[in-house]
Amino acid sequence: KQEVTQIPAALSVPEGENLVLNCSFTDSAIYNLQWFRQDPGKGLTSLLLIQSSQREQTSGRLNASLDKSSGRSTLYIAASQPGDSATYLCAVAGANNLFFGTGTRLTVIP
Amino acid sequence: EAGVVQSPRYKIIEKKQPVAFWCNPISGHNTLYWYRQNLGQGPELLIRYENEEAVDDSQLPKDRFSAERLKGVDSTLKIQPAELGDSAVYLCASSRRFTGVAGANVLTFGAGSRLTVL
Repeated sequence: KQEVTQIPAALSVPEGENLVLNCSFTDSAIYNLQWFRQDPGKGLTSLLLIQSSQREQTSGRLNASLDKSSGRSTLYIAASQPGDSATYLCAVAGANNLFFGTGTRLTVIP
Repeated sequence: EAGVVQSPRYKIIEKKQPVAFWCNPISGHNTLYWYRQNLGQGPELLIRYENEEAVDDSQLPKDRFSAERLKGVDSTLKIQPAELGDSAVYLCASSRRFTGVAGANVLTFGAGSRLTVL
């Protein structure tokens, strides 16, 4: 069974800093990897999706990379803002299911 | 287009009571998923439907949980009777079936239904 790990579990940074969130997975046979944002008491908002054949995707201040062979993905957030405070989840797609990590809770301090 | 709609958003019940959650997927999405997210954890799949057929319900606790997707559109997830450990957020997601491999299709999630069992 696919195991997805996210490090760190929680992160606090001052506003304006660049930061990196990490995601690792045990089975490299994936179809895609997706990063989600979850605000307290809310559902999941998709941020970026990387297909298995891609190396990275960018959206605004967000950049996600994928190294399938090593089972790793990173989410880079540039110039962090207080509004970025949320839990960030990565999910890898197997043949029939999405496997989620436990998330990184990010707090950006004004 | 309208997103995935779930109701109720919040539900508080006493243990042993029944509860039901409803999901309306994005129009045209053949595949529907129910996930459960415990506090501090990532979501875990309960059941996946392809149209009206439940094709993966291996993680659904069938002694107390049931689900249906009549006419291959809306879906209902029921718990009867509820236990304290069922407190969680129940997420519904849907995807359009672009390929024969479910994992290759992109899921859109609803806002979730938060259940508290007292």
